[in-house]
Amino acid sequence: EAGVTQSPTHLIKTRGQQATLRCSPISGHTSVYWYQQALGLGLQFLLWYDEGEERNRGNFPPRFSGRQFPNYSSELNVNALELEDSALYLCASTSTGEGYGYTFGSGTRLTVV
Amino acid sequence: QKEVEQDPGPLSVPEGAIVSLNCTYSNSAFQYFMWYRQYSRKGPELLMYTYSSGNKEDGRFTAQVDKSSKYISLFIRDSQPSDSATYLCAMSQASGTYKYIFGTGTRLKVLA
Repeated sequence: EAGVTQSPTHLIKTRGQQATLRCSPISGHTSVYWYQQALGLGLQFLLWYDEGEERNRGNFPPRFSGRQFPNYSSELNVNALELEDSALYLCASTSTGEGYGYTFGSGTRLTVV
Repeated sequence: QKEVEQDPGPLSVPEGAIVSLNCTYSNSAFQYFMWYRQYSRKGPELLMYTYSSGNKEDGRFTAQVDKSSKYISLFIRDSQPSDSATYLCAMSQASGTYKYIFGTGTRLKVLA
């Protein structure tokens, strides 16, 4: 069974540009979560999508947005990039009734220069 | 005050030692408690998943939850160099599809 896949693995952008990160959940999983892992800050909750709807968002500015497609894959968009957006962005998936914790992808390392 | 507090370490121990990793939390609504292990340049992988208070054992790993003290622990027996990683605690108010709150992680190094 394929795990959670994220692309690209690495992304280098210039301040002010936009970044698009992609995530494919485990087959059968309907919920996708996005987390930001910046150095020294741990995993910060960004967004949660379930059945195509945004269910919750963390304490991040509106320039962080995303969507979930009918096949449950998801996209995270970060507009007007700032240097402090440099981090590892992790996607995780689970399913209603799964009850056994998230499965994470390997992440996209975003570097803003 | 953060919802979940975790000592960042680093923690260095000799091979074979018993390791104790801990987290405290402030939200009494948390019911589900997880421990994840994260190797460098990888995503976190789930180690242990427990509900409410009590102990859970899986091989060399034991997870303990004390809801009255808002304190959770992960014990690693007979630690191995391959256990060297960052260990993250996570908590949730509900099972299945729900957001988790993570600690900052404790970096562990097991010396051969």
